[in-house]
Amino acid sequence: NAGVTQTPKFRVLKTGQSMTLLCAQDMNHEYMYWYRQDPGMGLRLIHYSVGEGTTAKGEVPDGYNVSRLKKQNFLLGLESAAPSQTSVYFCASRSAGNTEAFFGQGTRLTVV
Amino acid sequence: QQQVKQSPQSLIVQKGGISIINCAYENTAFDYFPWYQQFPGKGPALLIAIRPDVSEKKEGRFTISFNKSAKQFSLHIMDSQPGDSATYFCAARTGGFKTIFGAGTRLFVKA
Repeated sequence: NAGVTQTPKFRVLKTGQSMTLLCAQDMNHEYMYWYRQDPGMGLRLIHYSVGEGTTAKGEVPDGYNVSRLKKQNFLLGLESAAPSQTSVYFCASRSAGNTEAFFGQGTRLTVV
Repeated sequence: QQQVKQSPQSLIVQKGGISIINCAYENTAFDYFPWYQQFPGKGPALLIAIRPDVSEKKEGRFTISFNKSAKQFSLHIMDSQPGDSATYFCAARTGGFKTIFGAGTRLFVKA
């Protein structure tokens, strides 16, 4: 039972480079989320999706784009990475009929 | 704009003691208040949750106390154990979709 799987687990980028973080869930959940976690800031919502083909902005969406082409996948893109985007990124998913969200193990991203 | 304020930032408790973490919120539209537990290198996992029509919820050694009029809620960990050492996040959800998290509390239980 994989649950929520994030790829990659670690990545180092140079300023200005682009990359895509992949989140995959095998629980047939409708809702998916991307958060970033920074010391003393808790988890802040970047973008979320309530279904295939739909996305919405969260608290801190600037500099990020997302896509949900398939129900089980939620992609987070950084078009031009900046040092301020150094963080640990978490993906989560939840069933529309359930309150519990399940998190992946995180992606540690460093932008130098 | 932090809508859920959590305190303390860190907490050290003796084994067998009571750990108390407090949270306060502003938005009265929040309708669900979960607590998440996170171990190093792992994602957060749901620990216990409460809705605003209930003043207290207990699951084993973990209790949420909820004060709707004061817009505050707290997590109590009874008989704290070294295995409880982790980071705890309170959270609040509105609109059925978005969950806002507190800044987190790092708990260390001394053996």
